[in-house]
Amino acid sequence: RKEVEQDPGPFNVPEGATVAFNCTYSNSASQSFFWYRQDCRKEPKLLMSVYSSGNEDGRFTAQLNRASQYISLLIRDSKLSDSATYLCVVNKSGGYNKLIFGAGTRLAVHP
Amino acid sequence: DAGITQSPRHKVTETGTPVTLRCHQTENHRYMYWYRQDPGHGLRLIHYSYGVKDTDKGEVSDGYSVSRSKTEDFLLTLESATSSQTSVYFCAISERTVGAEQYFGPGTRLTVT
Repeated sequence: RKEVEQDPGPFNVPEGATVAFNCTYSNSASQSFFWYRQDCRKEPKLLMSVYSSGNEDGRFTAQLNRASQYISLLIRDSKLSDSATYLCVVNKSGGYNKLIFGAGTRLAVHP
Repeated sequence: DAGITQSPRHKVTETGTPVTLRCHQTENHRYMYWYRQDPGHGLRLIHYSYGVKDTDKGEVSDGYSVSRSKTEDFLLTLESATSSQTSVYFCAISERTVGAEQYFGPGTRLTVT
């Protein structure tokens, strides 16, 4: 079983749609969680951290369910510019901040 | 954007040759990382550094070595390149250890023929 699993997609949605991505992780001792965004042939960029109480940044909402070892990202009012691959990232407990990256979920927003 | 550069940005090399990739940061962050990214896989950690001259192996370190003689530079060397090392290589930095977000350089696209 992969340490971080994501649905690879692609998710094809029209502009203005709401879309949700899910991610599961295997290490119950993980303490830090992130969503990164990666555009085609570019580097990953931090989208947002994920906090236990859930957090929101504009049109983006992240949720964490520790009991189920599940993380989600909700994007409201999708824009064409949201088209990218979204990476779920979880820290590997112990050691020097090793992050485990999911393979990513691809989102394509169309007019 | 974090001040991270990688060089070269693109390289084609032949099997069996040594290759060195450079990561340079202007953020004075203590922690630096080398990843590779291949289709169908998440980013996989090759090596990381927790200070000058302090490095350790990641999950896919075979065939790679690293050096860090200055805070700002982290070098990745493929001792004898193989076709399986064709990949995109990303350098990352972080300011703190456990729980800290990492910031990535623009990547190096390496092809081994």
